[in-house]
Amino acid sequence: EAQVTQNPRYLITVTGKKLTVTCSQNMNHEYMSWYRQDPGLGLRQIYYSMNVEVTDKGDVPEGYKVSRKEKRNFPLILESPSPNQTSLYFCASSRRFDGLKETEAFFGQGTRLTVV
Amino acid sequence: GENVEQHPSTLSVQEGDSAVIKCTYSDSASNYFPWYKQELGKGPQLIIDIRSNVGEKKDQRIAVTLNKTAKHFSLHITETQPEDSAVYFCAASYTGGGNKLTFGTGTQLKVEL
Repeated sequence: EAQVTQNPRYLITVTGKKLTVTCSQNMNHEYMSWYRQDPGLGLRQIYYSMNVEVTDKGDVPEGYKVSRKEKRNFPLILESPSPNQTSLYFCASSRRFDGLKETEAFFGQGTRLTVV
Repeated sequence: GENVEQHPSTLSVQEGDSAVIKCTYSDSASNYFPWYKQELGKGPQLIIDIRSNVGEKKDQRIAVTLNKTAKHFSLHITETQPEDSAVYFCAASYTGGGNKLTFGTGTQLKVEL
């Protein structure tokens, strides 16, 4: 089954304690992204990757890091979490644009993070 | 950068009625406009999309219209059913932009019996 898998689904942590949210896709997609979803703000892109070892900032990258060492994995790292990073996080993946049509973005189930 | 505005934020309709959600975008370079449905506890899922060289697209009870001149696009759901209740997001992107999607703020649709 084609899917994007995030772990954990729920996480409560304390301010300053480093954490990693994992994301893995089994569709051999080139593009992967992280979004955060906040009430009244929709989904905002944090970081994205167009291929292995290629990453770039999205609209709200402050306080986050990512890496893309393998095509299937795109972990999100919070080195020193703060309460304003309490949010619902989504990982997404899609194929590279092939010159003919845009490709659908597939989303994971989400990770609800609470930083106290 | 791109900015997408979405209205209304909440929408309540009676079963069988139609629902319309509207979005505007700011960047004339955007040429791809997908709509996503997010059910409770799940990630967004694509329900329909449209490219800028097309004015309207329909898939059963769902249709999307695009006015490129005015920079706005709309989602139309006819004969609404309780299972249509969800949060709907519009988005905009441009070809070759790394598939970066700029989302609207979402519409909570409630279909009442």
